[in-house]
Amino acid sequence: GQSLEQPSEVTAVEGAIVQINCTYQTSGFYGLSWYQQHDGGAPTFLSYNALDGLEETGRFSSFLSRSDSYGYLLLQELQMKDSASYFCAGSRGGATNKLIFGTGTLLAVQP
Amino acid sequence: DADVTQTPRNRITKTGKRIMLECSQTKGHDRMYWYRQDPGLGLRLIYYSFDVKDINKGEISDGYSVSRQAQAKFSLSLESAIPNQTALYFCATSDLRGNTIYFGEGSWLTVV
Repeated sequence: GQSLEQPSEVTAVEGAIVQINCTYQTSGFYGLSWYQQHDGGAPTFLSYNALDGLEETGRFSSFLSRSDSYGYLLLQELQMKDSASYFCAGSRGGATNKLIFGTGTLLAVQP
Repeated sequence: DADVTQTPRNRITKTGKRIMLECSQTKGHDRMYWYRQDPGLGLRLIYYSFDVKDINKGEISDGYSVSRQAQAKFSLSLESAIPNQTALYFCATSDLRGNTIYFGEGSWLTVV
């Protein structure tokens, strides 16, 4: 089967570091993406891990371990504007690749 | 202008009515998708199309149909709307690899 699990909510304070985990049960899994969605808005692409290890993009980093069926999104120097929902999405690769999304994590950044 | 445009953005319809949500994109992508979002359930794939002649069912296609009128246009229809189809609907596109998806602004649909 295909399912990606995330914590439903995470709370952190401004300036802190927060990690949002994503565990999955997907056969033939290829890569992991992360999307950000502000309340009522369109999800926007943050990062994609095609290989195991850490990918860094500014304040955001994403990690993937396919042997552990696990990934995470790391947000550093949190800002109030980072309050949003974050979704991991798994892809199987290949010509018929399509993303399957996790249930999402609502991040609340407090002053 | 947005790369992926959905119309209408908001719609209230009655049970049993037919409703169509339209989507157009200017990114030149072959792949287009329709997702549904409900609170606590994330984004679920309804239908997807890898080119004009290709239509595929997603996780939750029952009660929905789609039409790919052109590379840039992909519409979603609810033939006979029911209240549990009340949700936020997103159209999206991607390149051939499909790992980066670009979403439209969403269409809020309420079925009463």
